[in-house]
Amino acid sequence: EPEVTQTPSHQVTQMGQEVILRCVPISNHLYFYWYRQILGQKVEFLVSFYNNEISEKSEIFDDQFSVERPDGSNFTLKIRSTKLEDSAMYFCATQGGPGYGYTFGSGTRLTVV
Amino acid sequence: GDSVTQMEGPVTLSEEAFLTINCTYTATGYPSLFWYVQYPGEGLQLLLKATKADDKGSNKGFEATYRKETTSFHLEKGSVQVSDSAVYFCALWDPYTGTASKLTFGTGTRLQVTL
Repeated sequence: EPEVTQTPSHQVTQMGQEVILRCVPISNHLYFYWYRQILGQKVEFLVSFYNNEISEKSEIFDDQFSVERPDGSNFTLKIRSTKLEDSAMYFCATQGGPGYGYTFGSGTRLTVV
Repeated sequence: GDSVTQMEGPVTLSEEAFLTINCTYTATGYPSLFWYVQYPGEGLQLLLKATKADDKGSNKGFEATYRKETTSFHLEKGSVQVSDSAVYFCALWDPYTGTASKLTFGTGTRLQVTL
C-alpha cells in the first residue's frame, strides 16, 4: 500500500534555529497538508497546499512557517526561528482529490530546547 | 466553524468488554466523518469512515453510524482486545469549505484495555 514518508522521525533543535521537516507524498496525490499535535492535545491543521500554492492556512501558520515543493516530489515545512511552543509531532498528509481519503505519514517529533 | 467534540478519556476496559466512544459534530455543510487511530509511537491511521447520513463505517470489528439527526458518529466495538489500546480521534471533512479541505479533529480519546 502506498505510504507517505516523513523525515526525520525525531529532531531536537535549539530555540531560534531553523528546521525543515520533509515529506514524500504518494506519487499521484495532488493535495498536501501539514498538521501538528502538541503532546496530549488535539491534532491541529496548519496548512493545505495544492497546485504549488497554499490553499488555506490556520492562525497557527504565521510568518515563521513556510511550505514548498522544491523538487516536485518532496513537500517541506520550514520553521524559521523555532520557539519552545513549536515542540510537537508534525504530520504530513496527502490526498488524491476532494473527497478522497487522506494518507498520513508517521510524523516527525520536534523538540525545541 | 466546524468542530468535533469527543468524550474525555482515558477509557479503561477489561478485555472483551463493550466499547463506546462518543463523538458529536457541528458543520456548515454535509461532512464526511472519520475515525482515526494512533497506536503508541505511530502516526494516524484511518480506522473507518462514513460519507452520508445513515452510512455505517466498519473495520476490524469497530463500527460507527453517521447520525445526521443527532449530529453524532459514535465509535463502538463489541469485544475489545489488548491490542486495541490506542488513542482514537473523531474527525470531519467538510466539502463546502474549499478546494483542499482540511480535516477537523476532536481531542482524542485514549483507550487502555487490560487483561
